[in-house]
Amino acid sequence: DGGITQSPKYLFRKEGQNVTLSCEQNLNHDAMYWYRQDPGQGLRLIYYSQIVNDFQKGDIAEGYSVSREKKESFPLTVTSAQKNPTAFYLCASSIPYRVDYGYTFGSGTRLTVV
Amino acid sequence: ILNVEQSPQSLHVQEGDSTNFTCSFPSSNFYALHWYRWETAKSPKALFVMTLNGDEKKKGRISATLNTKEGYSYLYIKGSQPEDSATYLCAFYNNNDMRFGAGTRLTVKP
Repeated sequence: DGGITQSPKYLFRKEGQNVTLSCEQNLNHDAMYWYRQDPGQGLRLIYYSQIVNDFQKGDIAEGYSVSREKKESFPLTVTSAQKNPTAFYLCASSIPYRVDYGYTFGSGTRLTVV
Repeated sequence: ILNVEQSPQSLHVQEGDSTNFTCSFPSSNFYALHWYRWETAKSPKALFVMTLNGDEKKKGRISATLNTKEGYSYLYIKGSQPEDSATYLCAFYNNNDMRFGAGTRLTVKP
C-alpha cells in the first residue's frame, strides 16, 4: 500500500538542540508539505516543495529548515532559533497544481521541548 | 495570510441527531474547497473536493455544499453515529498549497 510515513511519533528534546523530523512517501507525489498544529488553531504551513531540489517558505518558516534531495523524502529540522517548537507536526504529499486532488497526510510527530 | 474560519469549534450531539457546520473562506481567487475528516490518533482523510459554485457532494450520510460567491461551505451529517466522532477540517486551495481552518470537533454520544 502506498502511503506517507512520519517518524518518530513522539519526540522529546532539550531546549537549544536542533531536531529533525522525518517524512517519507511512496506515492510518487511531486509535492510535499509541512504543517504545524497548536491547540485551537488550524494547520499552519511551514514549508512546501513542489519538485525535487526546490522548496518554498510557508507562513511560519522562521526557525525551521528543510531539504528535498529525493522525491520520496522531505525532512524538517526544527532549529534552536524556533522560539516555540513544542507542537504537533504534520507532513502531507500531493500532486502540485491539481486543485481537485487532495492531500495524503502522515500520522504526525508530536515534539516536546523541555 | 488567507483566513479560513470554521464554526462551531466543537459540537456534542446525541446518536441519531443531524448536524451541520460551517466553513468560511475568501471569496476571491477561488480554486477549490476541500473537506477532511480527522479521527483521533489517525491522519486526516479526504472527504470531498468542491470546485464550482453550487457544488453539492454526498457520501453516505455526509454531504457538503459550496457557495463561492459568498465564501462558505456547509458540511451536513444526517443521523449522526458514534463513529462519526472526529474533527472535520476544511481547506481552501490557494493554487500553491492549501490553507486550513481550525476544524470542528464533533462528538456523538451513544
